[in-house]
Amino acid sequence: QQPVQSPQAVILREGEDAVINCSSSKALYSVHWYRQKHGEAPVFLMILLKGGEQKGHEKISASFNEKKQQSSLYLTASQLSYSGTYFCGTRTSYGKLTFGQGTILTVHP
Amino acid sequence: NAGVTQTPKFQVLKTGQSMTLQCAQDMNHEYMSWYRQDPGMGLRLIHYSVGAGITDQGEVPNGYNVSRSTTEDFPLRLLSAAPSQTSVYFCASSSDGVNEKLFFGSGTQLSVL
Repeated sequence: QQPVQSPQAVILREGEDAVINCSSSKALYSVHWYRQKHGEAPVFLMILLKGGEQKGHEKISASFNEKKQQSSLYLTASQLSYSGTYFCGTRTSYGKLTFGQGTILTVHP
Repeated sequence: NAGVTQTPKFQVLKTGQSMTLQCAQDMNHEYMSWYRQDPGMGLRLIHYSVGAGITDQGEVPNGYNVSRSTTEDFPLRLLSAAPSQTSVYFCASSSDGVNEKLFFGSGTQLSVL
């Protein structure tokens, strides 16, 4: 079952902040975040593991609430390069990573 | 280091034809997977493998077949193509099935007429 992302789309001006949420109905091993530019493959941003460990991007942060099976991605002081579609992926069992439907982020000058 | 290589990049099929999408990785990754991407649907998992000889179904496996005879290769077979299989297909790999990031191939744009 796919995790649910919100919002579906966000429009920002450069320098503004955004939060993208991801929730699952199942217990999670880990949460992944990826960004995809139009016509390209998804690119890794961050992994959040049970127990609090994070691996990933220096300028983007995220949280993982294990009890609620929820994660949030925080984009601060957005840049034009942040534009793209953001996907959260959740692992509910070994090997199986399923993605949400995506959040389209557009940053304007 | 080539990473994850998918071929072909583009393919047009007629309804009922069969074909194989190729995926190879040179990172000695145990975990490999296939996704399809359709507008508004995100990335949907078709099949995945946690090692040579081991495969399992994802969310949308119908109409697709996989095998994993070597660590490096994970081909996806369309048995009898249908217009509903028109999509962009991505292959991905990672060094383990829980804690490590996915490396994606560049994708295959498939059209079924």
